[in-house]
Amino acid sequence: QQKVQQSPESLIVPEGGMASLNCTSSDRNVDYFWWYRQHSGKSPKMLMSIFSNGEKEEGRFTVHLNKASLHTSLHIRDSQPSDSALYLCAAENSNNRIFFGDGTQLVVKP
Amino acid sequence: NSKVIQTPRYLVKGQGQKAKMRCIPEKGHPVVFWYQQNKNNEFKFLINFQNQEVLQQIDMTEKRFSAECPSNSPCSLEIQSSEAGDSALYLCASSRGLGVNYAEQFFGPGTRLTVL
Repeated sequence: QQKVQQSPESLIVPEGGMASLNCTSSDRNVDYFWWYRQHSGKSPKMLMSIFSNGEKEEGRFTVHLNKASLHTSLHIRDSQPSDSALYLCAAENSNNRIFFGDGTQLVVKP
Repeated sequence: NSKVIQTPRYLVKGQGQKAKMRCIPEKGHPVVFWYQQNKNNEFKFLINFQNQEVLQQIDMTEKRFSAECPSNSPCSLEIQSSEAGDSALYLCASSRGLGVNYAEQFFGPGTRLTVL
């Protein structure tokens, strides 16, 4: 049973556009979310984490979290071709079990 | 940059053969994870350890895979009898711990297994 669902599976945005990625957990005991980015041929690297309700911004990247609905979203403004990658959402529950989603493949077209 | 070391980078085995890969976590990271990423980029958790103890593992890992993280030796993941469907990138990651302040995972470059 997939504990973390990501949508869309793939996303194409024009350079300079806004990319919005979604992630929801079905585990009511999830406390924390992470977003990882994996460029083609590379291993994943942590991009952003969010643990509290609300919003967190780092440069062009903004993460939202709604703990009541166990939904997080990642928004990339002014998208660049270098942002093209697989974006993985991970969630950790109160038993310290960590679950990854299957990812959203983002393509930013010049 | 991650300092997780994985060997070998590429591994080719025939069906039914054993396939073994190794991982040295970052220094000071007692938690080690193994993941399988298939050609469709689907990411599957296999097993994780805290020091030498298994924290959690999936059914597939219990049956056909064996893994260990002995003290003072690399962690290892071994497929007892490889199947074509095991062809994938096997990623090892380590973290300083679990919970909000420690659980960022640092990934190695992976071992790409091809089962002929």
